[in-house]
Amino acid sequence: DTAVSQTPKYLVTQMGNDKSIKCEQNLGHDTMYWYKQDSKKFLKIMFSYNNKELIINETVPNRFSPKSPDKAHLNLHINSLELGDSAVYFCASSQDSSRNRQFFGPGTRLTVL
Amino acid sequence: KQEVTQIPAALSVPEGENLVLNCSFTDSAIYNLQWFRQDPGKGLTSLLLIQSSQREQTSGRLNASLDKSSGRSTLYIAASQPGDSATYLCAVPYSGNTPLVFGKGTRLSVIA
Repeated sequence: DTAVSQTPKYLVTQMGNDKSIKCEQNLGHDTMYWYKQDSKKFLKIMFSYNNKELIINETVPNRFSPKSPDKAHLNLHINSLELGDSAVYFCASSQDSSRNRQFFGPGTRLTVL
Repeated sequence: KQEVTQIPAALSVPEGENLVLNCSFTDSAIYNLQWFRQDPGKGLTSLLLIQSSQREQTSGRLNASLDKSSGRSTLYIAASQPGDSATYLCAVPYSGNTPLVFGKGTRLSVIA
């Protein structure tokens, strides 16, 4: 069974569209994260949720809105997509906080045309 | 603000060699340091986590050391194999209950 799964794996869309990426973890972890990996492969935190509550919100445009319906899910909704949003988005989870090992999903490659 | 640097950016070695990857961080007030592996087109796999109170961790052919006071960690890979080819990233939580700050990684190629 996949520990952290994301859908879709690939997403190609036009500028201005709204899209969502879904993430689920079956590890029973309390904390989930969204990271963005840009074209230079630099990985940077976007959001962190603990027990369905937002605890970290780095400098991210408010077009990005995370939603956590329950502890096992953290979805990312993006409004009015821009060219610069093209990247690979990774979901991750950990038992309590970043003091613990993080487990990553396979990534969603978003291409905005 | 925590910054993480990894040297070298890329490394190519023949199969069987032992090698060392380096990671340095600017703020020594860390809770732990994690090493990850990323294969092309894939997510990250956690390799080792060293708590701030530890000096090293071992898993199979991998050994990670931590010198918190000097802001350095090394990942030692013994008897490298072509299957070790990947990008290796280190990451630290920069304070309190905060997310990981990643280095840019070292891209390793092990040539058969």
